[in-house]
Amino acid sequence: AAGVIQSPRHLIKEKRETATLKCYPIPRHDTVYWYQQGPGQDPQFLISFYEKMQSDKGSIPDRFSAQQFSDYHSELNMSSLELGDSALYFCASSRLAGGSYEQYFGPGTRLTVT
Amino acid sequence: AQSVTQPDIHITVSEGASLELRCNYSYGATPYLFWYVQSPGQGLQLLLKYFSGDTLVQGIKGFEAEFKRSQSSFNLRKPSVHWSDAAEYFCAVGIGNDMRFGAGTRLTVKP
Repeated sequence: AAGVIQSPRHLIKEKRETATLKCYPIPRHDTVYWYQQGPGQDPQFLISFYEKMQSDKGSIPDRFSAQQFSDYHSELNMSSLELGDSALYFCASSRLAGGSYEQYFGPGTRLTVT
Repeated sequence: AQSVTQPDIHITVSEGASLELRCNYSYGATPYLFWYVQSPGQGLQLLLKYFSGDTLVQGIKGFEAEFKRSQSSFNLRKPSVHWSDAAEYFCAVGIGNDMRFGAGTRLTVKP
């Protein structure tokens, strides 16, 4: 079965650079979620989109933005990167229209800021 | 305030022994409840979930969890642990499409 796809899997950036993370949800899923997991930490919810509209916002810094496109894929844009942004970034998807709140997670993108 | 608590940061059990990982939540209503497992450097894999109905739910890899409303708990259990179960386990609760994770419990399995 198709799973959530994230690209790239690994990314190394320098401070003050920008990064773009991509997420391709499971086909027919209408909701995408972004999480940030620091070393040894639990995943922290950043932001979610339902049917291409922002549906919920968590602890996402103002330097970050995200959107969901017409094909339901999502991108997380991160600017003015800081060392503390080094983390594993997960995308998850679900099909809320079908009444399911179960989130399926992608493998994550490991971002290292040097 | 809404919260998810996993009281045990690290648990060590011997292979073949039973396991119980604790999870407590504090929400105004009964949330959706999940257990995820994460191997080092890997993504989150759903073990099981509870939405409604039978309070004892079966998951993959021989895991089960029991929802106890009176205790606001959703503890994960496995009767006999295998070395491959060593990982980080996260309890998560959701209200609608808003999901929050516990801090995680790291499981070490001794030979």
